[in-house]
Amino acid sequence: RKEVEQDPGPFNVPEGATVAFNCTYSNSASQSFFWYRQDCRKEPKLLMSVYSSGNEDGRFTAQLNRASQYISLLIRDSKLSDSATYLCVVLSGSARQLTFGSGTQLTVLP
Amino acid sequence: NAGVTQTPKFQVLKTGQSMTLQCAQDMNHEYMSWYRQDPGMGLRLIHYSVGAGITDQGEVPNGYNVSRSTTEDFPLRLLSAAPSQTSVYFCASRPGTPETQYFGPGTRLLVL
Repeated sequence: RKEVEQDPGPFNVPEGATVAFNCTYSNSASQSFFWYRQDCRKEPKLLMSVYSSGNEDGRFTAQLNRASQYISLLIRDSKLSDSATYLCVVLSGSARQLTFGSGTQLTVLP
Repeated sequence: NAGVTQTPKFQVLKTGQSMTLQCAQDMNHEYMSWYRQDPGMGLRLIHYSVGAGITDQGEVPNGYNVSRSTTEDFPLRLLSAAPSQTSVYFCASRPGTPETQYFGPGTRLLVL
């Protein structure tokens, strides 16, 4: 089983739609959680951290469920510029290394 | 700040050749890492360093060496290139805390 698993996608949604991505992780002792965004042929960049209480940044909402080892990202009112691959990332272990999911591709259509 | 820089941007090698991918950061970050990204596989950790003089293996270290003689630089050496090492390589750095990781622009490597 992979340490971090994501919806494979791709997701193709119309502008203005709400879309949700899910991610599960296998290490119950994982310490921190993140969503990164990667545009085509570019490097990944931090989108937002994920906190136990859930957190929101504009149109983006991230949720963490430690009991189910599950992370989600909700994007409301999708924009064309949201088209990218979204990577679920988990920090764990004594070496505090980041493990990346394989990503979910989102295309927002006009 | 330049952030994380990588050279070269593109490289074509023949099987058996060796080369070094350069990585530098000017943010005084403790942690530096090398990843490779292949279609459908996501980012996989090759080697990492938690400070100058300290390196360790990640998930896929075979065929690669690293060193960390300074805080700023973390080169990745391919000892004898193989077609299986065709990939996009990303260098990254982060402070101890918070854990926000900054990536370089990547090196696209083709091994023939």
